[in-house]
Amino acid sequence: SSELTQDPAVSVALGQTVRITCQGDSLGSYYASWYQQRPGQAPLLVMYSKNTRPSGIPDRFSGSSSGNTASLTITGAQAADEADYYCGSRDSSGNRLVFGGGTKLTVL
Amino acid sequence: QVQLQESGPGLVRPSETLSLGCTVSGGSMNSYYWSWIRQPPGKGLEWIGSIYYSGSTNYNLSLKSRVTISVDTSKNQFSLKLSSVTAADTAVYYCARSQPALDYWGQGTLVTVSS
Repeated sequence: SSELTQDPAVSVALGQTVRITCQGDSLGSYYASWYQQRPGQAPLLVMYSKNTRPSGIPDRFSGSSSGNTASLTITGAQAADEADYYCGSRDSSGNRLVFGGGTKLTVL
Repeated sequence: QVQLQESGPGLVRPSETLSLGCTVSGGSMNSYYWSWIRQPPGKGLEWIGSIYYSGSTNYNLSLKSRVTISVDTSKNQFSLKLSSVTAADTAVYYCARSQPALDYWGQGTLVTVSS
């Protein structure tokens, strides 16, 4: 079982805003990172250190954190954003990595 | 641009040892952690373990008794060995660079455990 909890599925209308959340005790001590995975592709880092986007990631992606919950927000969702999203972080020991179970985002 | 490429057999017999390598190009392995992650068909991501360029390791506790990760910085490679495999180890195996955010990933390689 995962130490990070995500909603299995979320949907959003094209052009609207969606928030994907990740809960876990370790998030009170460590930042979450977020990965986008399209079918048949390797995961892609889209957010880390709470609100830092790697080069090439659109600014419609933003991150936030409060207590034991981290969030990835997509403002103005596009069809290309339809994918599985995974959060990741260190575990409570700080020595290991752990992933959430993933959220399937559908853009309607 | 850092690139990672997994290599190794796509089919492993039950009870045998799965062995994969990851070649890093376009950058140095120094000062980074390097990880293995797997994804069973239709399921989520599972972190297997990480190795620092100097050789220190951390493993997923659920796999620790069967996993060995090693590094050879002179060849810009790190590797994964998973012993006593079963069908439950069938997955796409990815290698990635850790910061600890996983910022560069290989394309993944499917390993099937079957007789």
